[in-house]
Amino acid sequence: DVQLVESGGGLVMPGGSLRLSCAGSGFTFSNARMSWVRQSPGKGLEWVGRIRSTAEGETRDFPPPVKDRFSLSRDDSKAMVYLQMTSLKLDDTGVYFCTVDRNLVGLAYWGQGTLVSVSS
Amino acid sequence: DIQMTQSPSSLSASIGDRVTITCRASQTVTTYLNWYQQKPGQAPKLLIYETSNLQSGVSSRFSGGGSGTEFSLTISSLQPEDFATYYCQQCYSPHLTFGGGTKVEIK
Repeated sequence: DVQLVESGGGLVMPGGSLRLSCAGSGFTFSNARMSWVRQSPGKGLEWVGRIRSTAEGETRDFPPPVKDRFSLSRDDSKAMVYLQMTSLKLDDTGVYFCTVDRNLVGLAYWGQGTLVSVSS
Repeated sequence: DIQMTQSPSSLSASIGDRVTITCRASQTVTTYLNWYQQKPGQAPKLLIYETSNLQSGVSSRFSGGGSGTEFSLTISSLQPEDFATYYCQQCYSPHLTFGGGTKVEIK
């Protein structure tokens, strides 16, 4: 079975940084595109970034709200993907989900999420 | 980025009802439209991909349709386990975007 386990969430002050990790198992991680999606308290879903497979050049996409502040990396030897978040804002508060991004056929698998709270 | 608008934002329905949720895109997404179900305290779950294809293990009472900018998700006969929030999502653009969600509640 596919499993995704996020970690690294917590409380951080505005302007601070945090690195989230996602461990994947049950699928060929090296071939997978990985996306992160967040959900602010009581709100909807917002995609925050994608990293393609090594074979695809590990290219990355980010939406405008996080483009200059978030970065993604992966370690296929450990089946891990990392979301580095800097210059955090209050609006970045939410649950962050790691997903397997099957390109044109959806975000097929999701982790349970990790909570990021940005507060002074 | 492509904006996705769902309607209604919430609805109340009874067991056995036929329910339809609509999703509109600000520009064409051809058929690259997916639907997710989320229950409280859980991660979203992919229900339908590419407009009308059921994800493995999803009940056939769920169906999807549409193309271009107008899409729909239909539940043919609402069951207790279907009370949840539903989101549409386009993957036509590399920048994925979601609709605001439709909460389906018990009448």
